[in-house]
Amino acid sequence: NAGVTQTPKFRVLKTGQSMTLLCAQDMNHEYMYWYRQDPGMGLRLIHYSVGEGTTAKGEVPDGYNVSRLKKQNFLLGLESAAPSQTSVYFCASSYRAGGQRADTQYFGPGTRLTVL
Amino acid sequence: AQSVTQPDIHITVSEGASLELRCNYSYGATPYLFWYVQSPGQGLQLLLKYFSGDTLVQGIKGFEAEFKRSQSSFNLRKPSVHWSDAAEYFCAVLANAGGTSYGKLTFGQGTILTVHP
Repeated sequence: NAGVTQTPKFRVLKTGQSMTLLCAQDMNHEYMYWYRQDPGMGLRLIHYSVGEGTTAKGEVPDGYNVSRLKKQNFLLGLESAAPSQTSVYFCASSYRAGGQRADTQYFGPGTRLTVL
Repeated sequence: AQSVTQPDIHITVSEGASLELRCNYSYGATPYLFWYVQSPGQGLQLLLKYFSGDTLVQGIKGFEAEFKRSQSSFNLRKPSVHWSDAAEYFCAVLANAGGTSYGKLTFGQGTILTVHP
């Protein structure tokens, strides 16, 4: 049981390049999330998904796209990277508890992205 | 909208001393509260959580936290700190989704803990 895994761990991009971050979970969680972490700002939600084939915007979605074609995977894409997207990106997943409430979120190890 | 405030950006304690990290939240309904810990270069690990019931919750690594509704606080405590506790600690509030389709988790800005030998 690996929990939440993220690929790659590190990446350096040039401005304007594109890339995709992969998140995978083996806990059969319904909900998945992408966050970015910047110094002094805690974690901010980029996009999230409440199930296979569904995605929605979080607090800071601009410049990012996501897809959830399979329940266990959640992809985060940067179409044209900018220096402002230099950050550490975390994926998380959670069960859906009673009704539509989400439960405890479990986090991956993170991807450190630098955009030059 | 909910919010979380961790008033202390950086705390330094001596090994063996007691620790209290402060967390205040703002949320209109009954909150679900969490403390996560992040070691340098690592992801976030869940220390403990409060959903309901006993307001004093025990977590991993000897940590505990107390929910005080009247003070809108969820402070983290440990009676005797170990050098390996040096890390960044995040308090978070999960909104009871109600009619929404997901639970929004809002984080505080984090408190960096330094432990002196």
